[in-house]
Amino acid sequence: AQSVTQLGSHVSVSEGALVLLRCNYSSSVPPYLFWYVQYPNQGLQLLLKYTSAATLVKGINGFEAEFKKSETSFHLTKPSAHMSDAAEYFCAVSDDGAAGNKLTFGGGTRVLVKP
Amino acid sequence: SQTIHQWPATLVQPVGSPLSLECTVEGTSNPNLYWYRQAAGRGLQLLFYSVGIGQISSEVPQNLSASRPQDRQFILSSKKLLLSDSGFYLCAWNRASNQPQHFGDGTRLSIL
Repeated sequence: AQSVTQLGSHVSVSEGALVLLRCNYSSSVPPYLFWYVQYPNQGLQLLLKYTSAATLVKGINGFEAEFKKSETSFHLTKPSAHMSDAAEYFCAVSDDGAAGNKLTFGGGTRVLVKP
Repeated sequence: SQTIHQWPATLVQPVGSPLSLECTVEGTSNPNLYWYRQAAGRGLQLLFYSVGIGQISSEVPQNLSASRPQDRQFILSSKKLLLSDSGFYLCAWNRASNQPQHFGDGTRLSIL
């Protein structure tokens, strides 16, 4: 069974500071990994995905994530936080099963950006 | 381009009443379809998924059911709602197993 752990349910950063959101996963097969962002009362929007190509993945809004197999991690970073980055972020892993791929989500990390 | 629609956006229902939430996808054919629930302060839990018309897989035992009467239509139902059914329900789709899922805007369900 797959699992995803996001360290820290809440993160507070100053505007202009580095954003680092941690994600560790467990999977019995090579994983597909995703980061999603959710703004209040909205659905999830895909930030980026890892599908066994480059280990450093660039996404939208200046975010990027690095896949480290040895550490089973897929941490999300952004060099300089903007007020608009305040949202909840979810890491997810896919099992690539034959009967549709089921995403397993982490518990989410809510980001607060201080001016 | 593909779009996904969910309705209603918000719903307030009394305990014991029935439920029907609808999700439709446009601009693609034979999508994989998913229903998730997001309870307050918690992550997302997969409830049902479907790889084709009439094919429904349930992930967790619960008071809800799902149906897929048409290729791009996915319905979440209940005959009698419980207080514990409150939450934010999200529908999602994708075309292939290595592709990301795309989410609708969700339905906020409150049970009184």
